[in-house]
Amino acid sequence: DIVMTQSPDSLAVSLGERATINCKSSQSVLYNFNNKNYLAWYQKRPGQPPRLLISWASTRESGVPDRFSGSGSGTDFTLTISSLQAEDVAVYYCQQYYSALDPWTFGQGTKVEI
Amino acid sequence: QVQLVQSGAEVKKPGASVKVSCKASGYTFTEYYIHWIRQAPGHGLEWLGWINPKTGGTKYGQEFQGRVTMTRHTSISTAYMELSRLTSDDTAAYYCARVKYNGGWFPPDTWGQGTQVTVTS
Repeated sequence: DIVMTQSPDSLAVSLGERATINCKSSQSVLYNFNNKNYLAWYQKRPGQPPRLLISWASTRESGVPDRFSGSGSGTDFTLTISSLQAEDVAVYYCQQYYSALDPWTFGQGTKVEI
Repeated sequence: QVQLVQSGAEVKKPGASVKVSCKASGYTFTEYYIHWIRQAPGHGLEWLGWINPKTGGTKYGQEFQGRVTMTRHTSISTAYMELSRLTSDDTAAYYCARVKYNGGWFPPDTWGQGTQVTVTS
């Protein structure tokens, strides 16, 4: 199985400041035939389902504020919140959806606080 | 609009089974896979497996092999996840999610609201 490792486990950021979360996969999640990274980022608030923020490592979903951005390729990825807002307090997860028959796996989560 | 509506909260005793439903609307049920993911209190997101509503084919996470069964009833656009031999470690919120597959996976674009399963004696 592909192991996803996030860092840090938690971080405290002042309002308006930048938050950066890293995610590393134990093997590449880049398919060369289409040059796509099968990596997503989710925001998870208590009592709510996960919210898809970023797909294909860097494609922001419709309705997601542009302060959220994703970058990286292969095995190393980053989620950046450029200017933290109060409503961004949540746990953030990366997830790979690389293989058709292998399990999907998530990072352990990063708790973002103010 | 596309929606997944899950069944209500459950309280079960250790050793029992639970069956959670996920009713789809707003799209053709058989054109998207349904994945199941859970989150236990204080823990992260954990993938249980998927079902192909068109064929009934399934894939389960190794940790749940032998304990989980995913089925569907296409005439009512509903997927089910049954987990047996419950222990307190199975106390969690269980989510279904709609996923497109087109020679490769897409990320889930729609999630159910979650079903809280509590296992307690």
